[in-house]
Amino acid sequence: AQRVTQPEKLLSVFKGAPVELKCNYSYSGSPELFWYVQYSRQRLQLLLRHISRESIKGFTADLNKGETSFHLKKPFAQEEDSAMYYCALLYNTDKLIFGTGTRLQVFP
Amino acid sequence: DTEVTQTPKHLVMGMTNKKSLKCEQHMGHRAMYWYKQKAKKPPELMFVYSYEKLSINESVPSRFSPECPNSSLLNLHLHALQPEDSALYLCASSQRPGQAYEQYFGPGTRLTVT
Repeated sequence: AQRVTQPEKLLSVFKGAPVELKCNYSYSGSPELFWYVQYSRQRLQLLLRHISRESIKGFTADLNKGETSFHLKKPFAQEEDSAMYYCALLYNTDKLIFGTGTRLQVFP
Repeated sequence: DTEVTQTPKHLVMGMTNKKSLKCEQHMGHRAMYWYKQKAKKPPELMFVYSYEKLSINESVPSRFSPECPNSSLLNLHLHALQPEDSALYLCASSQRPGQAYEQYFGPGTRLTVT
């Protein structure tokens, strides 16, 4: 069965420190993976998708099919990065399944 | 207009009531979604509409009845709900069904069933 795992509920770092939010998936097909972010009092919004290979707000994520991972990374965290981050897998063309989320806290 | 809007923001209803949630988008998107999000949990898919037709029902109880009257509007009709149905109900839309387009989420309706 398809599954998305985010092992850390909370990740706390200081401003300027590197950040890595972990995501592992389980899916027998070819995965379409996304990172969504929810800032305080704002709606859920797309941060990254693996097919576009972009860097958004300094974040990158690489799909590693061998390790079935799609970790989110940023070399230097900023206070405004504090938010809830969800890794998500799209399967059966239109079903999006979310991981349990990681709350990132960036301290000044 | 590049937003998904949802009304009402908050809804309190008794177990015998009938109410409806409304979702609207004017981005020309042809796929629309309902999700349920319990406190401190991720969103869970309930229904998918593709070109105004119901394409996916994730085994949702019949007390939840979706409707897509046109390409811009999505409703969720509620009847005889249970207290455990209290949650944040999110609507989302994407450009085309069946493709890995970005889903745009609304702010949600927070539902409390008493």
